[in-house]
Amino acid sequence: AQSVTQLDSQVPVFEEAPVELRCNYSSSVSVYLFWYVQYPNQGLQLLLKYLSGSTLVESINGFEAEFNKSQTSFHLRKPSVHISDTAEYFCAVSESGGQNFVFGPGTRLSVLP
Amino acid sequence: NAGVTQTPKFRILKIGQSMTLQCTQDMNHNYMYWYRQDPGMGLKLIYYSVGAGITDKGEVPNGYNVSRSTTEDFPLRLELAAPSQTSVYFCASSSPPGQQTSYEQYFGPGTRLTVT
Repeated sequence: AQSVTQLDSQVPVFEEAPVELRCNYSSSVSVYLFWYVQYPNQGLQLLLKYLSGSTLVESINGFEAEFNKSQTSFHLRKPSVHISDTAEYFCAVSESGGQNFVFGPGTRLSVLP
Repeated sequence: NAGVTQTPKFRILKIGQSMTLQCTQDMNHNYMYWYRQDPGMGLKLIYYSVGAGITDKGEVPNGYNVSRSTTEDFPLRLELAAPSQTSVYFCASSSPPGQQTSYEQYFGPGTRLTVT
């Protein structure tokens, strides 16, 4: 069975500073990896996904994540955050080709002016 | 497209009552899911379906039932509501493998349920 760890429950950062949100997973089989973002009182929205191929994946709003198989990690990064990036971020994993998705507990990113 | 819609938005139930949470998607997605979200716990998968007539249990199915008679609808039934079922419930859908958007889940706005 898979599991996901997001060690940081809250990350405060000043506007225009870089940020990294950490995600580690545990699985005995190959996996697909995802980052979702949740704004207050809304459902989750997909930020980016890794299925195969290049280990570095990017989103349209400047976030990127890198799949590191040896460290079983999929950390999310952004070089310069905006106030509008304030939200909760969830890392998720599924077995390759599977439909049973496991989500981490989430990291609340607060961007300060 | 409306995407994934859920009704009701809020509901308060008394212990032992039953209710159905409705979920509809208009994206012709084969796959649909029900999650519950508890504070600090992330999302837990309750049930999922890979097509009409096919459902399967997720991580936390006890106390819930689902059906999938059409591609569009995936209702979640709570029988004999308990305080432990107080949570925010999210429905999601995705397209099947082999498509560009495979494995991308689209979420509804959620139903906030309180059982007292």
